[in-house]
Amino acid sequence: KAGVTQTPRYLIKTRGQQVTLSCSPISGHRSVSWYQQTPGQGLQFLFEYFSETQRNKGNFPGRFSGRQFSNSRSEMNVSTLELGDSALYLCASSLGWGLGPRNEQFFGPGTRLTVL
Amino acid sequence: EDQVTQSPEALRLQEGESSSLNCSYTVSGLRGLFWYRQDPGKGPEFLFTLYSAGEEKEKERLKATLTKKESFLHITAPKPEDSATYLCAVQAQLNAGGTSYGKLTFGQGTILTVHP
Repeated sequence: KAGVTQTPRYLIKTRGQQVTLSCSPISGHRSVSWYQQTPGQGLQFLFEYFSETQRNKGNFPGRFSGRQFSNSRSEMNVSTLELGDSALYLCASSLGWGLGPRNEQFFGPGTRLTVL
Repeated sequence: EDQVTQSPEALRLQEGESSSLNCSYTVSGLRGLFWYRQDPGKGPEFLFTLYSAGEEKEKERLKATLTKKESFLHITAPKPEDSATYLCAVQAQLNAGGTSYGKLTFGQGTILTVHP
């Protein structure tokens, strides 16, 4: 069974540009969450989608947005990039409801974004 | 606000020298506590989920335990390939609307180095 895939794996952008990152969850998983990982702040929750609806959002500015498609694939967008947005962006998928194995989140390899 | 504190920040062991990593947490109703392993440049790899105090889970040389305030990851006779960053995360009970399935709150991690 294929794991979570993220594209692209690496990106270099300049300040002021915008970027779109993509995540394909494990087959059958309906919940997708996004996290930002930096050396100083660690892993921080960005947002969570289930059945094309945003269920929860972390404390990030409105420049960070996302969406989920009917096939559960998800994209996140960052507009007007700032130097501080340089980070590893991780996507995690889960079945999306209840307890037990359905609650387990599996991460993709991440997209390394560098803002110059 | 949910909080997770991991200790120590870094741990150096000799091959075969058993030890434990600590994860202390405060959460408004624990739905699950997760342990992940992360290698440099990769996404976190799922290890365990624990749901209630007293629960224990094992996988090869790793054993995770849970109390009402903390979790321990015991590493028995570690090998150099166990070197990685170990992350602990908590997931809170569903909110009043019952719509938040995901959101993991992570600790800063423990960097484990096992020398041959």
